[in-house]
Amino acid sequence: GAGVSQSPSNKVTEKGKDVELRCDPISGHTALYWYRQRLGQGLEFLIYFQGNSAPDKSGLPSDRFSAERTGESVSTLTIQRTQQEDSAVYLCASSLLGHEQYFGPGTRLTVT
Amino acid sequence: SQQGEEDPQALSIQEGENATMNCSYKTSINNLQWYRQNSGRGLVHLILIRSNEREKHSGRLRVTLDTSKKSSSLLITASRAADTASYFCANNYGGSQGNLIFGKGTKLSVKP
Repeated sequence: GAGVSQSPSNKVTEKGKDVELRCDPISGHTALYWYRQRLGQGLEFLIYFQGNSAPDKSGLPSDRFSAERTGESVSTLTIQRTQQEDSAVYLCASSLLGHEQYFGPGTRLTVT
Repeated sequence: SQQGEEDPQALSIQEGENATMNCSYKTSINNLQWYRQNSGRGLVHLILIRSNEREKHSGRLRVTLDTSKKSSSLLITASRAADTASYFCANNYGGSQGNLIFGKGTKLSVKP
């Protein structure tokens, strides 16, 4: 079946602009995660959605970052007033609760 | 920080040799997972070992877990050039069923 998809695959934006990244999880997966990966680094947890529970936002680095998820489907990660330090690959993953995560291909964000 | 660490940071071997990567973590865990990442994009889940398991095999992969030492190892036997990738361990810590805490990864290079 279809895996996790993300769009766009690449995004170049000017400093100060807002960007919206999209994630389509695997159908039926109740959990959805966003991570950030800077060049040559490991994954940095951002936010986690599980069913209808309140999301775990503990990883969001600043109030410029927010994310939403509609039910158990699509999620969007929004970064407002982008900064050069936001440049990274943003990875989305989905899973059944307590099981392994399936990752999308990521969105490479470049802030100029 | 709850982030674990893999060692070595980089490993270069010849095809046919075995590769061993180690991972240490800091908190109690529900399970520990290993992922592979090619070309800095999406991660692929390799194997999951639960906190009450000590060893697990999957094809050419062997994972061990020592909860007393808070460490795990991933062994890839009879390596192939296609195994060249970055390998990350991630722990699903006791505070949540959700997000994983990833290490910074080991970059494995298998030379033909």
